[in-house]
Amino acid sequence: DIVMTQTPLSSPVTLGQPASISCRSSQSLVHSDGNTYLSWLQQRPGQPPRLLIYKISNRFSGVPDRFSGSGAGTDFTLKISRVEAEDVGVYYCMQATQFPLTFGGGTKVEIK
Amino acid sequence: QLQLQESGPGLVKPSETLSLTCTVSGGSISSSSYYWGWIRQPPGKGLEWIGSIYYSGSTYYNPSLKSRVTISVDTSKNQFSLKLSSVTAADTAVYYCALLADYWGQGTLVTVSS
Repeated sequence: DIVMTQTPLSSPVTLGQPASISCRSSQSLVHSDGNTYLSWLQQRPGQPPRLLIYKISNRFSGVPDRFSGSGAGTDFTLKISRVEAEDVGVYYCMQATQFPLTFGGGTKVEIK
Repeated sequence: QLQLQESGPGLVKPSETLSLTCTVSGGSISSSSYYWGWIRQPPGKGLEWIGSIYYSGSTYYNPSLKSRVTISVDTSKNQFSLKLSSVTAADTAVYYCALLADYWGQGTLVTVSS
């Protein structure tokens, strides 16, 4: 199984300031079709997960452009350029390159 | 827009079978070349993938649950289903159905208790 490791566990951020979350996979996420199936999900308190970013850096429909994804191979990053109050929640990376699909442990973003 | 809704009992007795159904609206379950899936989240914990079914009917299961899981699709009802047998308290969780990973249902809490 591919193990997904996220850091930090928790990220207290001042409103309007940037936030960054790292995700590392135990092996390369490059699929044989050339795509890298690394996604980022946001889970607000009491809500289901919501897709933010797919294939490393593509924003899903309706996702604000303050969210961006980058990386390659085994190292990936989600950045929030200016944190807003509605961004509070837990963020997960997820790989769909290989079964079983696996998730990172989550990073809690909270306001200082 | 695609919407998914889980349904099924919220309480299941130990050793019995958990059965949930996901009803898809706003699109056909057999028209997308994507994986439909089930994911669960124990209270206060992270996400665990249970298994997926391709629109063609092929299934893929988490090895840790494979011996107890069955996922099936009913295209006539635009639904797919999850069965998890021999449940224990460790299977207590919010269960989500999803068109991985684009669209998610609201989730349904299933508690395993006598």
